[in-house]
Amino acid sequence: DTGVSQDPRHKITKRGQNVTFRCDPISEHNRLYWYRQTLGQGPEFLTYFQNEAQLEKSRLLSDRFSAERPKGSFSTLEIQRTEQGDSAMYLCASSSSYEQFFGPGTRLTVL
Amino acid sequence: DAKTTQPNSMESNEEEPVHLPCNHSTISGTDYIHWYRQLPSQGPEYVIHGLTSNVNNRMASLAIAEDRKSSTLILHRATLRDAAVYYCILSPPNDYKLSFGAGTTVTVRA
Repeated sequence: DTGVSQDPRHKITKRGQNVTFRCDPISEHNRLYWYRQTLGQGPEFLTYFQNEAQLEKSRLLSDRFSAERPKGSFSTLEIQRTEQGDSAMYLCASSSSYEQFFGPGTRLTVL
Repeated sequence: DAKTTQPNSMESNEEEPVHLPCNHSTISGTDYIHWYRQLPSQGPEYVIHGLTSNVNNRMASLAIAEDRKSSTLILHRATLRDAAVYYCILSPPNDYKLSFGAGTTVTVRA
């Protein structure tokens, strides 16, 4: 296992379309996180899972955002009816203790 | 949530030490101090963390003030690969999310 992977690495979409991102964590990690990062800012926490349970969601996560982690393995983040303000880097991380391991991110551009 | 304050940027020469300060005057007694860094076009990576005592690992050292209101990340010999944004983050125990600020952009001159 070489680390956290994310797919796709880049996504360009038109406003109003739905997009889905996938994150494959390090296999033995029970916790999985999603963050969003805009240019020049630090990452912002969106949500996290312990195994398959979604334990916390940020107030930043509007109703258009939904995340799942079926069977406690990979996770998907879906954004419905995308808006230009959704353009950002979406980062996934996983952990089994205090250290979080981040993936390379998915860069979303909404036209 | 307790906040951290870091300088926007710092410059260093290659092979010299870098001392990155972080102020966290509202830290609670049980908050952990974490440092992550983010190299250009990559996700963040863990550097070090501590609670009360100074900590050392292969990447860096963390010096924590006695009153815990500030800490300093020390890179002992900066290399060009250490050029990154460094984030100082506080987290209560059993609160697993990371709350990133703007961090300090470190530039290393050859």
